[in-house]
Amino acid sequence: DGGITQSPKYLFRKEGQNVTLSCEQNLNHDAMYWYRQDPGQGLRLIYYSQIVNDFQKGDIAEGYSVSREKKESFPLTVTSAQKNPTAFYLCASSLYGYTFGSGTRLTVV
Amino acid sequence: AQKVTQAQTEISVVEKEDVTLDCVYETRDTTYYLFWYKQPPSGELVFLIRRNSFDEQNEISGRYSWNFQKSTSSFNFTITASQVVDSAVYFCALSEARRGTGGFKTIFGAGTRLFVKA
Repeated sequence: DGGITQSPKYLFRKEGQNVTLSCEQNLNHDAMYWYRQDPGQGLRLIYYSQIVNDFQKGDIAEGYSVSREKKESFPLTVTSAQKNPTAFYLCASSLYGYTFGSGTRLTVV
Repeated sequence: AQKVTQAQTEISVVEKEDVTLDCVYETRDTTYYLFWYKQPPSGELVFLIRRNSFDEQNEISGRYSWNFQKSTSSFNFTITASQVVDSAVYFCALSEARRGTGGFKTIFGAGTRLFVKA
């Protein structure tokens, strides 16, 4: 079955550490996205990539970094510069509408 | 600037009631797409519908129906005869239309949490 796989489902990070969230898709979609969701709020765009080796900042890119070396993969690194990283992170790819992964819940301890 | 407003933060209904979730959007684009997504407690967003700005026909899919009115910039979603399994957060979203690979940025509303009680 085609889809998006995000791992891990739950992630705990100590303050000051960088952590990388994985996102893999087998839908052959060119465009991929990372969103952040905070409790009771909508989704906010962190980064997006429309093609391999290219990506653009979204609305809240500070403290995050991404890479797009392969079409299938779009990992997100939450750096220590991100002041409030505890959130639910959703990866998506799109052709004519979004297909979302099941998300990664990141908690800073 | 694009904006999506879902004024209803939470709605609570009893099973078998009909419920309408409101969505109002703002955009200066003449061509755009509107979406509804469902987010059950598991967290994954599930695509429900996509509508382009040139298609104002209402759509019905089982117990779900959508009313797109360009004149009022609204794209409302109605669930008929609601069920407990409909309990979720529902997001309305707006995206620019772009040629090519299909990549486009999407603006999400804040979501409406629907509780359906048995």
